[in-house]
Amino acid sequence: EVQLLESGGGLVQPGGSLRLSCAGSGFVSSSYAMSWVRQAPGKGLEWVSGISANGGATYYADSVKGRFTISRDNSKSTLFLQMNSLRAEDTAVYYCVKGQRSTMVRGASFDDWGQGTLVTVSS
Amino acid sequence: DIEMTQSPSSLSASVGDRVTITCRASQSISNYLNWYQQKPGKVPKFLISAASTLQSGVPSRFSGSGSGTDFTLIISSLQPEDFATYYCQQSYSNPITFGGGTKVEIK
Repeated sequence: EVQLLESGGGLVQPGGSLRLSCAGSGFVSSSYAMSWVRQAPGKGLEWVSGISANGGATYYADSVKGRFTISRDNSKSTLFLQMNSLRAEDTAVYYCVKGQRSTMVRGASFDDWGQGTLVTVSS
Repeated sequence: DIEMTQSPSSLSASVGDRVTITCRASQSISNYLNWYQQKPGKVPKFLISAASTLQSGVPSRFSGSGSGTDFTLIISSLQPEDFATYYCQQSYSNPITFGGGTKVEIK
């Protein structure tokens, strides 16, 4: 059974930084692309960032490009999201999601989701 | 970026009703379209890939169709457990984008 466990969320002031982690189990980490998807309170889903299975390719939503960095450590089956220059509009539950394929190019779909970690950006 | 527009944004239906949700892409995405279901307080569930391929364990009353820019999710006979919000997602190009969601409520 695939399990994805996020951590690192919390309350941070505007302009601050946070680092999210996602520990995966039940699958071979190095075989699947991974992404972060967020959901602001009462709002819809927004894809934030994705990374290929080997970490060689990364992708970002326009809203976070230049501020967030995705990375992974396949030896520890862990996905990361470094979030800098945080804004109030970044407040959301951040989900770690597993892709069905090794790449993010064409056909990226998300078959397993973590329970999410809440990030609140407020002074 | 490819914009995904869902309609309606919400609908009320009764158990046993046939429900149709539409998703339109701002440009052609071939069949690179996925559907998800999210129940209140729960994590999204992957329903359909490649516009029409039902994921394992998804009831056959769910079906998807479409290609190019227009796509449809149909629930042939709505069940109590189907009341949820449904999202489409394009996987044709990055950045990946989701539709705004369609909330299916009890009439």
